[in-house]
Amino acid sequence: QKEVEQDPGPLSVPEGAIVSLNCTYSNSAFQYFMWYRQYSRKGPELLMYTYSSGNKEDGRFTAQVDKSSKYISLFIRDSQPSDSATYLCAMSGGGSEKLVFGKGTKLTVNP
Amino acid sequence: DAGVTQSPTHLIKTRGQQVTLRCSPISGHKSVSWYQQVLGQGPQFIFQYYEKEERGRGNFPDRFSARQFPNYSSELNVNALLLGDSALYLCASSSQATDTQYFGPGTRLTVL
Repeated sequence: QKEVEQDPGPLSVPEGAIVSLNCTYSNSAFQYFMWYRQYSRKGPELLMYTYSSGNKEDGRFTAQVDKSSKYISLFIRDSQPSDSATYLCAMSGGGSEKLVFGKGTKLTVNP
Repeated sequence: DAGVTQSPTHLIKTRGQQVTLRCSPISGHKSVSWYQQVLGQGPQFIFQYYEKEERGRGNFPDRFSARQFPNYSSELNVNALLLGDSALYLCASSSQATDTQYFGPGTRLTVL
């Protein structure tokens, strides 16, 4: 079992839709949870950073962490064509600073 | 402020050759991490350096090595290149070893 599982998609939605992206993980030591956005052939860009369980909102983006279920989510409201990218979940903790990534979900928002 | 910078942008090498990739962290950041991202996969951790000391090493062969300089920039070296080393190599910096990591644009390495 991989430490972090993420459905690679692809996911295609119409402009204005609410997008839900998810990851599950197996390592209960993870405490820090991140979402990165990666445009084609570019480096990952940090979107959201959360510590432990709970919700965090930033504009159209909401990150949720449920440590009891080992499940994290990213919601994008009012999605735009410019949101079309690959979304990577990442996590760390347990005395190690390395980030462990999911495979990424490729999202396309159609005008 | 400038973000993380990496050089070169692209690189083509042949099997058996050696390559050196360079990274300059965000000003004030003392930690640099290296990741390998194969097409269609998430980045895989290779190394982390903090204050010029190695803080972590991923599951990569000894052909991979790195170092961090007094100005906190870093180099990743890969010897005896294999076709499977073709990937996007990402550098990330953070102010402390445990802080949020910010990524550079990457170096795309193609091994023929």
